[in-house]
Amino acid sequence: GEDVEQSLFLSVREGDSSVINCTYTDSSSTYLYWYKQEPGAGLQLLTYIFSNMDMKQDQRLTVLLNKKDKHLSLRIADTQTGDSAIYFCAESNQAGTALIFGKGTTLSVSS
Amino acid sequence: DTAVSQTPKYLVTQMGNDKSIKCEQNLGHDTMYWYKQDSKKFLKIMFSYNNKELIINETVPNRFSPKSPDKAHLNLHINSLELGDSAVYFCASSRGGSTTEAFFGQGTRLTVV
Repeated sequence: GEDVEQSLFLSVREGDSSVINCTYTDSSSTYLYWYKQEPGAGLQLLTYIFSNMDMKQDQRLTVLLNKKDKHLSLRIADTQTGDSAIYFCAESNQAGTALIFGKGTTLSVSS
Repeated sequence: DTAVSQTPKYLVTQMGNDKSIKCEQNLGHDTMYWYKQDSKKFLKIMFSYNNKELIINETVPNRFSPKSPDKAHLNLHINSLELGDSAVYFCASSRGGSTTEAFFGQGTRLTVV
């Protein structure tokens, strides 16, 4: 079945770049997603990338997709303390009827 | 205007009770979901409804029963609550189809004591 893996923790200093990595198993996924969850809050869609793209940039966020290796990454430039949160990578299930989430990467930003 | 709203935000109840969580979306989406997030923050799909019809029912105990009175609402009823049901339950909605970009509610933190 589908599976999404990501490392559980990342700690960076304010102003540095953060890179959160994710691997997925379903090569038929049309879109891949990054969601952000702040403490006590719901999930907020940050960005997504279409599977025929290699890269997508949106202000401080850069998503890189290596479809051959089934590897997705999220780079946050100039990381701020407000970026501290859990970041979830997600892909669609094979039927395209639901999202399969990774276990989430907790990003901790120190000043 | 809240896109996906769920009530209550917090629910504390005793084992054995029956409780419901309500969800409404005003985005005009066709598909609605219930996800469960456990204490380790792992998120898993429970149910998915498209135009009021059940399309996903993952391995969830029969004590959990979703009900969709119309495509803007998907409620979750839980019978005979157990300690292990304690979690945060998220409702979400999407346009469906091959793009399952989902919008999430703020979550309901259920604590069973």
